Amino acid sequence: QVQLQESGPGLVKPSETLSLTCTVSGGSISRYYWSWIRQPPGKGLEYIGYIYYSGSTNFNPSLKSRVTISIDTPKKQFSLKLNSVTAADTAVYYCARGDSNPFDAFAIWGQGTGVTVSS
Amino acid sequence: QSVLTQPPSVSGAPGQRVTISCTGSSSNIGAGYDVHWYQHLPGTAPKLLIFANNYRPSGVPDRFSGSKSGTSASLAITGLQAEDEADYYCQSYDSSLSASVVFGGGTKLTVL
Repeated sequence: QVQLQESGPGLVKPSETLSLTCTVSGGSISRYYWSWIRQPPGKGLEYIGYIYYSGSTNFNPSLKSRVTISIDTPKKQFSLKLNSVTAADTAVYYCARGDSNPFDAFAIWGQGTGVTVSS
Repeated sequence: QSVLTQPPSVSGAPGQRVTISCTGSSSNIGAGYDVHWYQHLPGTAPKLLIFANNYRPSGVPDRFSGSKSGTSASLAITGLQAEDEADYYCQSYDSSLSASVVFGGGTKLTVL
């Protein structure tokens, strides 16, 4: 079955760029919407953005100015870059797969990776 | 402040029925966008519980059910079990000026 695995540094310095990659295994990366979602400590889930396999993107308005999501279909990976990070960006970051519409449910999730922003 | 409003907490005794509400507006739930529900246990990935308002993925017990009406949706859990103690989130899509996926703030379910 399809599995997602996040990878990237667990510690990022303030004002630098957070970079994470999600690797898709057991299935195709085509025809689906691929998203990033995070959960800050003690808070709820927050949608970051998605990328369609064709490359079109959508972002949370509150993060839009700092977020880039890209996709590498041959490698079956998609990536998140969040620049100018602060302590407020400390969170568990999840990658997830939607279906054929941007408003579909996230049926498959990665296990999550913790990122701490600190000097 | 989440676009979708959920009660911070609900509780119930084993065997009882509880409901969790998710209140939106005319630009999301009221616009006809589907509502999805997730169960989130600490240290694990969120699990899809209900999709498209009232459909259960394979493997989810029929003790869980969803409904939607107007600008609100609800998740009902019957025959409450200790293992149901978790955080629950609703999710939909908002078509306002900055169209985006939106989550509710989450509800902590405590099994007494």
